[in-house]
Amino acid sequence: AQSVAQPEDQVNVAEGNPLTVKCTYSVSGNPYLFWYVQYPNRGLQFLLKYITGDNLVKGSYGFEAEFNKSQTSFHLKKPSALVSDSALYFCAVKEVLGDSWGKFQFGAGTQVVVTP
Amino acid sequence: DTGVSQDPRHKITKRGQNVTFRCDPISEHNRLYWYRQTLGQGPEFLTYFQNEAQLEKSRLLSDRFSAERPKGSFSTLEIQRTEQGDSAMYLCASSSSSGESVYEQYFGPGTRLTVT
Repeated sequence: AQSVAQPEDQVNVAEGNPLTVKCTYSVSGNPYLFWYVQYPNRGLQFLLKYITGDNLVKGSYGFEAEFNKSQTSFHLKKPSALVSDSALYFCAVKEVLGDSWGKFQFGAGTQVVVTP
Repeated sequence: DTGVSQDPRHKITKRGQNVTFRCDPISEHNRLYWYRQTLGQGPEFLTYFQNEAQLEKSRLLSDRFSAERPKGSFSTLEIQRTEQGDSAMYLCASSSSSGESVYEQYFGPGTRLTVT
């Protein structure tokens, strides 16, 4: 069975400071990992994904994430946060195992608040 | 706008009534997903289609829920004999099965269901 955890309900950061949103996962096979963002009254938007290859992946709006297999983590990072980054962030995992190709597991979400 | 659309955006119904939601995916996407999201939680996987075939269905999905994608384009999600616990946001997403954007899900705005 697959699972994903986002240990922080909320992350507060001042504008211009580095932003990190944590995500850990548990799968039996190899993971495909994703980050999505949800702005108020808007649908979820894809940010970035790790499928294979380089452990550091770059995505939209200056975000990046590092896949760490030994720590089973996929933390989202941004070097310099903007007030407009304030939103709800979701980590998701899809287990690559057998014939189960459809099911994605989402974390509970982390609210990011960036203050001016 | 050629994004994922869902109809209706809001639905209020009385307990015991049947409701049906529609999702129109991005036209070139052959994969379609239904999720349920409640306040403070991430999207919970319900079911998945590739073209017109329903390939995966959550074990959490009771037999009151049924989904179809008859021609491999739009999809409908029906809930029979609604219960108050069905109140949630129902999300639809679509993705391609090939190319660089494989596994990147594009979400619709959701249908908010309230069961009174």
